Amino acid sequence: AQKVTQAQTEISVVEKEDVTLDCVYETRDTTYYLFWYKQPPSGELVFLIRRNSFDEQNEISGRYSWNFQKSTSSFNFTITASQVVDSAVYFCALSSLGDSSYKLIFGSGTRLLVRP
Amino acid sequence: DSGVTQTPKHLITATGQRVTLRCSPRSGDLSVYWYQQSLDQGLQFLIQYYNGEERAKGNILERFSAQQFPDLHSELNLSSLELGDSALYFCASSVEIPDTQYFGPGTRLTVL
Repeated sequence: AQKVTQAQTEISVVEKEDVTLDCVYETRDTTYYLFWYKQPPSGELVFLIRRNSFDEQNEISGRYSWNFQKSTSSFNFTITASQVVDSAVYFCALSSLGDSSYKLIFGSGTRLLVRP
Repeated sequence: DSGVTQTPKHLITATGQRVTLRCSPRSGDLSVYWYQQSLDQGLQFLIQYYNGEERAKGNILERFSAQQFPDLHSELNLSSLELGDSALYFCASSVEIPDTQYFGPGTRLTVL
C-alpha cells in the first residue's frame, strides 16, 4: 500500500524563523516520485518540487530546501527565514510505477502560520 | 498561473441536482486528472484520462462520471448530488505519464 504521512497538523512560527515540515512515505515500488505542493489561502495548489526515487541529492531553491532520505522514507521541506507570505497549507505527495496512472497520493497537509 | 483552467470557480446547487465541471489542460498536456478535496477525506484521486481514453479510476462514486474530448478538455459530471459532495474539485494536467501534475484553481461546489 502507498501512504504519505504528515504528522504535523499545524505549525506556527514568527517571521524569520526557520521551519521544517516533515513527510514520511510508504511504498513497495522501487521507482517513485515525491512532490511538495503549496495551497495558499486563495485555494489553488501550487507545485513546488518533484524528486524521483533514484535521486537522493538534496535541493535548494532560494529559501526553500528539501531533504530526501530513502533510509528513513522521508522527504522533509525546510523554509529558511520564513515570511508571512509562506503561510499556507503544504502537501507532500507520492506517485509510483506500481500504479500505472501515477495518481498522486497526498498526505493530510501541514498548515503553516507565519506571524509577523 | 499553472495554465490549467477550470470553470466555474464556484457552484451552488441543491441536493438531487446534476452539475458539470469543466477543465482545460495546459497546452500540449495529454493527461488530465480529477481530484476531490474535502475536509474529512482530504485530497483524493477520482479519475484520470490520457489522450481521450480513461486510464484509471480512484474512489469515484457511480453518480460521478467524466470524459476527455478530442480537444483534450475534460468534464466531470456529478449527478444526484448529496450534501456530502460539497468539496473543492481540482483538475490537474501533465504532459506525459509520469510527469509533474499542474493543478487548476479548482471549482468549489456547495450542495444545499
